[in-house]
This record gives sequence, structure tokens and C-alpha cells, in this order.
Amino acid sequence: GAVVSQHPSRVICKSGTSVKIECRSLDFQATTMFWYRQFPKKSLMLMATSNEGSKATYEQGVEKDKFLINHASLTLSTLTVTSAHPEDSSFYICSAFYRGVMNTEAFFGQGTRLTVV
Amino acid sequence: SQKIEQNSEALNIQEGKTATLTCNYTNYSPAYLQWYRQDPGRGPVFLLLIRENEKEKRKERLKVTFDTTLKQSLFHITASQPADSATYLCALGGMDSSYKLIFGSGTRLLVRP
Repeated sequence: GAVVSQHPSRVICKSGTSVKIECRSLDFQATTMFWYRQFPKKSLMLMATSNEGSKATYEQGVEKDKFLINHASLTLSTLTVTSAHPEDSSFYICSAFYRGVMNTEAFFGQGTRLTVV
Repeated sequence: SQKIEQNSEALNIQEGKTATLTCNYTNYSPAYLQWYRQDPGRGPVFLLLIRENEKEKRKERLKVTFDTTLKQSLFHITASQPADSATYLCALGGMDSSYKLIFGSGTRLLVRP
């Protein structure tokens, strides 16, 4: 199947710094990608929809200035956690939709474990 | 309010038995429902999609049913194996023109050898 690569898989940063997470669709073009956040033993919470060439659409309660999303090309979306705080520590996952002839399917990255100390 | 509910307690079964997981939802009208597998520290992996006009879908040892009247989907794994142990998530989609998915919290399945 199609592959979505997320990088880095783990990152530890100091409070107040910014962290960038990349999400790449390796063998297909994705005009739309999604960013999720997951707490331990909890559901994936949709943070925002990343649209190639336009502004991201954020879900209610998600701070746009805190979580900057850039979808500069058809294969790359980035999520930047700005001025990170310990409460931003979480598992962040991206997904991209592959629109094939027979099906439309979401492929997920392997996730990024962010720890803010 | 809108809710997606999956059993929060782990399902513990013997190898070879059929595992049945439940996904119930309220105040959503999904055009389709998907099931994913998630292993610890990893992203979800797509398993099956079932549309609102489909009652049942099968793929190898997996079977999914979708009852839009009951607002429920059942996910079955037949002849379960220890390698099937993971968390299984249901996700609702097609509720608007986007490809947004709304996920349940998942049910952890443990298959004992």
C-alpha cells in the first residue's frame, strides 16, 4: 500500500522551544493531510486539516498560533509546535488520503512522540 | 452530544476463538465506517471500510457489520492468533465533504496462546 513517512519518531525538547514534525507521502500525491494528537489509552483527536497551497483548517479548541501547519507541496505537510510546554507532550500522528481508482484510503504515519521537559 | 464508544476494557480471548469488538455512535450520520489496528507507539493501520449501504464486509479472517439503525458496527476476527493482539479503533467518515475521520478510543485485544 501507499506509504506515509513521519519524522522524527521521537523528540525531546526544552520548554519554550519550537519543534517541527514532517509528514511525507512517499509514493502518492496528497492534497489533503490530517494531523492528530493522541494521549495514552485515548482516541486520536483531530487537530487540523492540512490543505496543499492554502491555510490549514483547525478544529475547535486547537490554537492556530501554537500549532503551525504548512502544506507547501503535494507530498509534504509540517506541524510546528511553537513555544512548547510540558502539556504539549503527546503522540502526534499525521495521515494522508490516497485516492485510487478503486478506493479511497487513509494512510497514517508512524507517529511522533514529543516530550517537552 | 456526539459520541463514539468502544469498550474501554481489554478483550482477553483464547487463541483460535472469534474476537468481537463493538463500536457504537450517537448523533453522527457517517457515510462510511472504518476499522484500524494500532500497535503501541505506532500509527493506525487501515483494515476495512464499510459504507452505509453495506451490511457486511469481509477480508480474510476479518468481518465487519454496519447497522445504521442501531448505529453500531461489529468487528470480528475469526481463528484469532496472538499476533492479532493490538488496539482496534473504529472511525466514522463521510459526514461532510471532507475526508475527516472521527475516531473511537479503541479496544485493546489480547489473544492468549
